[in-house]
Amino acid sequence: GAVVSQHPSWVICKSGTSVKIECRSLDFQATTMFWYRQFPKQSLMLMATSNEGSKATYEQGVEKDKFLINHASLTLSTLTVTSAHPEDSSFYICSAAYLSDYEQYFGPGTRLTVT
Amino acid sequence: QKEVEQNSGPLSVPEGAIASLNCTYSDRGSQSFFWYRQYSGKSPELIMFIYSNGDKEDGRFTAQLNKASQYVSLLIRDSQPSDSATYLCAVGGGGSYIPTFGRGTSLIVHP
Repeated sequence: GAVVSQHPSWVICKSGTSVKIECRSLDFQATTMFWYRQFPKQSLMLMATSNEGSKATYEQGVEKDKFLINHASLTLSTLTVTSAHPEDSSFYICSAAYLSDYEQYFGPGTRLTVT
Repeated sequence: QKEVEQNSGPLSVPEGAIASLNCTYSDRGSQSFFWYRQYSGKSPELIMFIYSNGDKEDGRFTAQLNKASQYVSLLIRDSQPSDSATYLCAVGGGGSYIPTFGRGTSLIVHP
């Protein structure tokens, strides 16, 4: 149980384009979903927290107009990186929580490369 | 500002030895404690969680929690090369349901 999927697993896009990443909880209804970014050899950086049907809460320093989060249902959240630039290249990981909000189950991650 | 501290390592242990990973946290109100394992290029995987003082064992893994001293540790018995990874400590509770992650400790188990 507690399986979280992400799609795509990797994506290459050109600078200035937008990329959408999907995060799905496959066998449970997630009360909360989280989006993280991780640069090489660095720790997880929480970008935003989203609850189904409400606006995402962004961490300080994360541009909400650049990283659009939509949590349309209890099993699906999407992150859209708008007008991507090479510095947005990173490993994006979502996680979902259920039962207790503390226990997070991570998706496999999406590696984004912006050329 | 809640803080979770881990030694970045790397911690190097021989195969078959016990690996001991430590984590300290700043918020005394913390209620839940997690250990995640992250292989290079992969996302974190939850391996242990503990809520009460004392020890919790699961196979070769033992989590130890001492709330008075504000530390949580992870012991890996009979370490294997496949245990080589970064181990992330996460602490939740204390007014926020969002766990705070430490920077992780890199573990290397050499044959």
